[in-house]
Amino acid sequence: GQQVMQIPQYQHVQEGEDFTTYCNSSTTLSNIQWYKQRPGGHPVFLIQLVKSGEVKKQKRLTFQFGEAKKNSSLHITATQTTDVGTYFCAGKGGGADGLTFGKGTHLIIQP
Amino acid sequence: GAGVSQSPSNKVTEKGKDVELRCDPISGHTALYWYRQRLGQGLEFLIYFQGNSAPDKSGLPSDRFSAERTGESVSTLTIQRTQQEDSAVYLCASSPGGYTGELFFGEGSRLTVL
Repeated sequence: GQQVMQIPQYQHVQEGEDFTTYCNSSTTLSNIQWYKQRPGGHPVFLIQLVKSGEVKKQKRLTFQFGEAKKNSSLHITATQTTDVGTYFCAGKGGGADGLTFGKGTHLIIQP
Repeated sequence: GAGVSQSPSNKVTEKGKDVELRCDPISGHTALYWYRQRLGQGLEFLIYFQGNSAPDKSGLPSDRFSAERTGESVSTLTIQRTQQEDSAVYLCASSPGGYTGELFFGEGSRLTVL
């Protein structure tokens, strides 16, 4: 079955430093989504990428979808304490496949 | 309500008892997912319903787990003869379905098996 790998599992940064999490799929994806889960909360949708090579920005967050549609990344510039949480990618294969989540990257920010 | 509603929010049970968790998706959403999340861990896929199609049950960890959905509305996840390793937060999410569509998650049901 489809597998989605995400690295790193944990990332400690100083406030103001940049952060990147990477997502790789064993199969070609029709689209990929990113979610953020704050401590004690539930995952909240951030963005969806559909096109090969697509890049989308949301303020300090930059999302990329690889040319082969098998990998993706989320980059946060100049992290703030409000960025703390776990970032999940979730990939959708072709057809009626449901979403498969990566294991997430826990972002810990030291003030 | 406007969002995905799950009940109970917390459930403490004794090993060997059966539990039933309920999910009310957003009205009109054809897709419904159940995930399990152990403390500090990722989202483990359990089951996926899409409209009237046969559900994808490939994530159910054992035959003690089952789920039903009535049309495109309420879903129940049943765990029989609970074990301590079943302790986790069970998250339900719904989606408009189709080719694209973000998932809207409920607050989850926290299950503790003593």
